[in-house]
Parts: sequence; structure tokens; C-alpha cells
Amino acid sequence: SYELTQPPSVSVSPGQTASIPCSGDKLGDKYVSWYQQRSGQSPVLVIYQDTKRPSGIPERFSGSNSGNTATLTISGTQAMDEADYYCQAWDSSVVFGGGTKLTVL
Amino acid sequence: QLQLQESGPGLVKPSETLSLTCTVSVGSINNGSYYWGWIRQPPGKGLEWIGNIYSSGTTYYKPSLRSRVTISVDTSRKRISLKLSSVTAADTAVYFCGRLVTVTSPYLDHWGQGALVTVSS
Repeated sequence: SYELTQPPSVSVSPGQTASIPCSGDKLGDKYVSWYQQRSGQSPVLVIYQDTKRPSGIPERFSGSNSGNTATLTISGTQAMDEADYYCQAWDSSVVFGGGTKLTVL
Repeated sequence: QLQLQESGPGLVKPSETLSLTCTVSVGSINNGSYYWGWIRQPPGKGLEWIGNIYSSGTTYYKPSLRSRVTISVDTSRKRISLKLSSVTAADTAVYFCGRLVTVTSPYLDHWGQGALVTVSS
């Protein structure tokens, strides 16, 4: 079965850029989506089809995908961005990465 | 604004069947542009895909859960149901329903608020 790998945690200072990687075999050949899950809440879609932002998602969220790695980038990170982030791809069904806890300190 | 609402018992005994319903607030659930899925999240852990159902009624289940899972849809009531049989403590989780956009690589554009189900005697 297809697997997506994410680092368990990433730290960033307020106002700096956070990058969260997601790796998988030939991941660049697939579309990747990203979800933000704040503590105690449901996941929210922040990026779909590698680079697209749903309505209402701030411009500071962006995505890229090439080779074996997709990356979620948060520019000018704010305290409110502290959350768990999950990448997701499709391989005959939904596949989630293990999640990355973003700490803003 | 589309809303998904999970409902069902919060406590299930071991070996019994977990039953949850997801009610869709707006629009038809028999729209070929979307299909519907169930996801769960054990306490303190990541997201796990359970399965999905297409507008045609075709289902897909995670292989490791296939023998115990049934997902069905009631289009007239706009409800998607999940049944998981022979539960154990390992099935304790928050269960989410979600709407998948039907594209080459589907993604979940809407999620329910989640329902915590605890398996315990």
C-alpha cells in the first residue's frame, strides 16, 4: 500500500516561514492536499491539487510537489497557525500522512 | 453552507457493532461531483481512512477493516451510515465523515465535527 511520510514536528518563530514536507514514492506524479487540524477541532482543507487554496484560506499558505516530496509552506507564520498538518494523496483510496505538529514559538 | 453532522452512541461494548450516521445539511448527496467517506482518529494519533461510498452505491473499504465495515447511503434522508462490527478498544476514536470532491485525485473539502466513540464494557 502507498505510504506518505511526514516529520512528527516542526518549529518556527512567529513571522518566519514554516516548511512541512511530505514524502512518498513518485509523489510528484500525484496530486497532494493538505489539512490543518487545530487542537480539538476537525481538519480543514488548506491546499488541494498541490498548489490551490480554498476560498477563505490565507495567502500565506502555499504548496508545491515535485519528485518524491510535497511541501506545505506557511509564510509569515502566526500563532494561530499552530496545529497539526496532514498531507493526503489518492492511491485507489485516500492516503494520509502521519501528521506534523507545527509549533510556533 | 454545507454542514456534516455525525451522530450515534458514544459508548459501545466490546464485540458489539458501532453505528454512526452522518447527516448532510445542504444539497443532494446523490451528486456525481462528490462522494462520501469516513475517517477516524484514535486519541492523540493521526487520521485513518476507513472507506467511502460513491453516488452509484459502490463502496471502498480499507483492506484491514473490510471484513468489519459497512458504509451505506440513504439519499432521501441525506444520510451516510457507518457500521463497524466486533469492536475492540482499538476502535476507540473520533469518527469523522467527509465529502470528497470527485476529481482525478479526490480530496476532502468538508468535514463533520466528529463523534467520539469509546469501546468499553
